[in-house]
Amino acid sequence: IAGITQAPTSQILAAGRRMTLRCTQDMRHNAMYWYRQDLGLGLRLIHYSNTAGTTGKGEVPDGYSVSRANTDDFPLTLASAVPSQTSVYFCASSESRYDYNEQFFGPGTRLTVL
Amino acid sequence: GQNIDQPTEMTATEGAIVQINCTYQTSGFNGLFWYQQHAGEAPTFLSYNVLDGLEEKGRFSSFLSRSKGYSYLLLKELQMKDSASYLCAVSDSNYQLIWGAGTKLIIKP
Repeated sequence: IAGITQAPTSQILAAGRRMTLRCTQDMRHNAMYWYRQDLGLGLRLIHYSNTAGTTGKGEVPDGYSVSRANTDDFPLTLASAVPSQTSVYFCASSESRYDYNEQFFGPGTRLTVL
Repeated sequence: GQNIDQPTEMTATEGAIVQINCTYQTSGFNGLFWYQQHAGEAPTFLSYNVLDGLEEKGRFSSFLSRSKGYSYLLLKELQMKDSASYLCAVSDSNYQLIWGAGTKLIIKP
């Protein structure tokens, strides 16, 4: 059982390029999340999905988009990368977004935008 | 605005006890989580408090006072492997987790 996988592990990207970060979970969790983690700051929510077919905006959604075509996959797309999107990106999932919502995290993607 | 405060860094000695504090101001409260994050790795769940009081789980305990907007994580019998960052997160009125910046715990032999 893998839990949550993310790809790629790391990526260096030229500014202006389009990039999709992949996230797959095998726990049949309903809710999924994308966070970015920057030095000195707490994890910040980019987008979330309560269940397959629905998505919502988090605290810092600008420049990012997501889709949730099925339960397992939750890709994050940067349409035109900018240097301020350099960060470590974590995908997470939980059984539900409501009530007790312990989140399980993927290993992260370290993204550098030059 | 919503805010989670925790110390940036703490140092403790192997075998000792350390208490990591977290204070919060959020719009609503649906529980408080503590996570552990080793350098270069993903956060992993440690504890959850939704009612006032102490929750004990092995060497780790977590305390919550909702009236004071305060929690602490207590680590006993410290081991070198406990060197990590400890993240406090509060589930707000929309069930969104609001995260503190984390406390880096350094364990010295």
